[in-house]
Amino acid sequence: GQNIDQPTEMTATEGAIVQINCTYQTSGFNGLFWYQQHAGEAPTFLSYNVLDGLEEKGRFSSFLSRSKGYSYLLLKELQMKDSASYLCAVKDSNYQLIWGAGTKLIIKP
Amino acid sequence: NAGVTQTPKFRVLKTGQSMTLLCAQDMNHEYMYWYRQDPGMGLRLIHYSVGEGTTAKGEVPDGYNVSRLNKREFSLRLESAAPSQTSVYFCASIHGSGEANEQFFGPGTRLTVL
Repeated sequence: GQNIDQPTEMTATEGAIVQINCTYQTSGFNGLFWYQQHAGEAPTFLSYNVLDGLEEKGRFSSFLSRSKGYSYLLLKELQMKDSASYLCAVKDSNYQLIWGAGTKLIIKP
Repeated sequence: NAGVTQTPKFRVLKTGQSMTLLCAQDMNHEYMYWYRQDPGMGLRLIHYSVGEGTTAKGEVPDGYNVSRLNKREFSLRLESAAPSQTSVYFCASIHGSGEANEQFFGPGTRLTVL
């Protein structure tokens, strides 16, 4: 079966750095997405990786290793507004997105 | 541009009642999707459409019917609601199936079935 694993919850301090991991086992691979979802709101796109390596976008970076079935989202200089759930999703061989359950990130002052 | 809109935002149904959730997008996207989101689980695909007049089943299609009314609108119908269908429903759209294309989501419909 297809499976996406990510930690259920993480806590970090304002101003610090946090890394959210995602491991996947899917039928085929056509890219990995990270989305942010604030409580009670819709998911919004953060990043996309299809080749191995690091993609940087401001305070957020995303890394992919296809051979290991592994990705991480790195958030730097954490702000209180970064408190949200972070969803990892993989596009499979049918070009459908398979979603992880999300990681709830709690930022403390 | 309004992006992706959904109606209603909230609804409470009794078991056995029916309702239709409406989704519309103004981005000229070809593909549209209906997901449900439950606590502790990832988004699960109910049905999707790759173009006007087409629909296909996703991971959890039972108990739901969809209709791609035109390029802009995609509806989800519950004919006889059950408590197991209590969930948050999201509509999403995308320009095409290209790998890098991100999905744009509507604000969600929070449905409770008693």
